[in-house]
Amino acid sequence: DIQMTQSPSSLSASIGDRVTITCRASQSISRFLNWYQQKPGMAPKLLIYDASTVQSGVPSKFSGSGSGTDFTLTISSLQPEDFATYFCQQSYITPLTFGGGTKVEIK
Amino acid sequence: QVQLVQSGAEVKKPGASVNVSCETSGYTFTSYYIHWLRQAPGQGLEWMGRINPRSGGTSYAQKFQGRVTMTGDTSISTAYMDLSRLTSDDTAVYYCARSLAGTTFYWYFNLWGRGTLVTVSS
Repeated sequence: DIQMTQSPSSLSASIGDRVTITCRASQSISRFLNWYQQKPGMAPKLLIYDASTVQSGVPSKFSGSGSGTDFTLTISSLQPEDFATYFCQQSYITPLTFGGGTKVEIK
Repeated sequence: QVQLVQSGAEVKKPGASVNVSCETSGYTFTSYYIHWLRQAPGQGLEWMGRINPRSGGTSYAQKFQGRVTMTGDTSISTAYMDLSRLTSDDTAVYYCARSLAGTTFYWYFNLWGRGTLVTVSS
């Protein structure tokens, strides 16, 4: 199985900060990496697919980059509604696997 | 309205089976895959498998092979996930989610159910 490692596992940031979360795959997954946001008690929400394509309706402050084994999710200016947990997911091969999550908290 | 509506919370005893339903609406049921994922309390997400509602074909994670069955009823646009021989490790929120049909490259999830809490306890 492909292991997905996210870092950091948690971070504290202030409103307006630029935040970057990384995800590393245990083998190359080309560009087949997706990012989700999850708030407590809710289902995940798709933010980015294919490493860098922003899902329709998602604000442009979210962006993704990377290919191969190393990927990043960037939030350009953190707002109160962005405090949540973020997961990466590879869709290169089954079983689909997820990173352990990055919890973004208010500083 | 495009949505996935899941059945309600379940409490099961160890060794029992659970069946969770996922009623779809607002789109053509047979044009997309339905996946099942779960999330144990305070933990990350785990993919269990998927069904192609058009053909009934399934693909399961090896971890669940022999214990999970995914089915679909095209007459009522509903997918089902049955998990047998439950243990306390199966306590989790179970989600259904929709992906495009085709290769795994398209298996990202832009539509989710709200989740069904399954608690396994003696």
